[in-house]
Amino acid sequence: QQQVKQSPQSLIVQKGGISIINCAYENTAFDYFPWYQQFPGKGPALLIAIRPDVSEKKEGRFTISFNKSAKQFSLHIMDSQPGDSATYFCAAGPDYGGSQGNLIFGKGTKLSVKP
Amino acid sequence: NAGVTQTPKFRVLKTGQSMTLLCAQDMNHEYMYWYRQDPGMGLRLIHYSVGEGTTAKGEVPDGYNVSRLKKQNFLLGLESAAPSQTSVYFCATWADYGYTFGSGTRLTVV
Repeated sequence: QQQVKQSPQSLIVQKGGISIINCAYENTAFDYFPWYQQFPGKGPALLIAIRPDVSEKKEGRFTISFNKSAKQFSLHIMDSQPGDSATYFCAAGPDYGGSQGNLIFGKGTKLSVKP
Repeated sequence: NAGVTQTPKFRVLKTGQSMTLLCAQDMNHEYMYWYRQDPGMGLRLIHYSVGEGTTAKGEVPDGYNVSRLKKQNFLLGLESAAPSQTSVYFCATWADYGYTFGSGTRLTVV
């Protein structure tokens, strides 16, 4: 069973700091890499996604960095806020992976942003 | 526009009992999924459907059955619940922009 390895399991950051979560995948055929954000008692929600034709994608304070040769990608949250406190999941799969159930999720990172 | 609605939100079952979890979507999406979420395990796919009348097995299908008789509904059944099925269950749909998840069903089997 292929895996997506996510680290760290938990992360505590001060308000205004940078939160960094890393993921590594195994299958070189994967070309879709989304991040999901989950608040307690809620379902995960798509935060941002990248495809390997670019090395970085930025949406507001959230940035995905992608290293195809290393088979790694990471989520950077700039100016972290207490409202960012949530569990974050990375995922990887073929571009059609979501439709065919082939998206593989990491085990999650619980982020706490201290005021 | 409710998106993906799951019922019930909470349930406690005794070992051996059966139940059905209902997922309803109003987005007219073809693809629907059932995931389970366990601490430290992330999200694991149980079954999915690529359209009305179709179902397929995911990573952890044993002990579960599903049906997609109508496009907007995807049912997950437990015929004989076991404590190992204690989990939070999420239904999701897929569109080009990614998954839309429901808010989950927390199931405890005692």
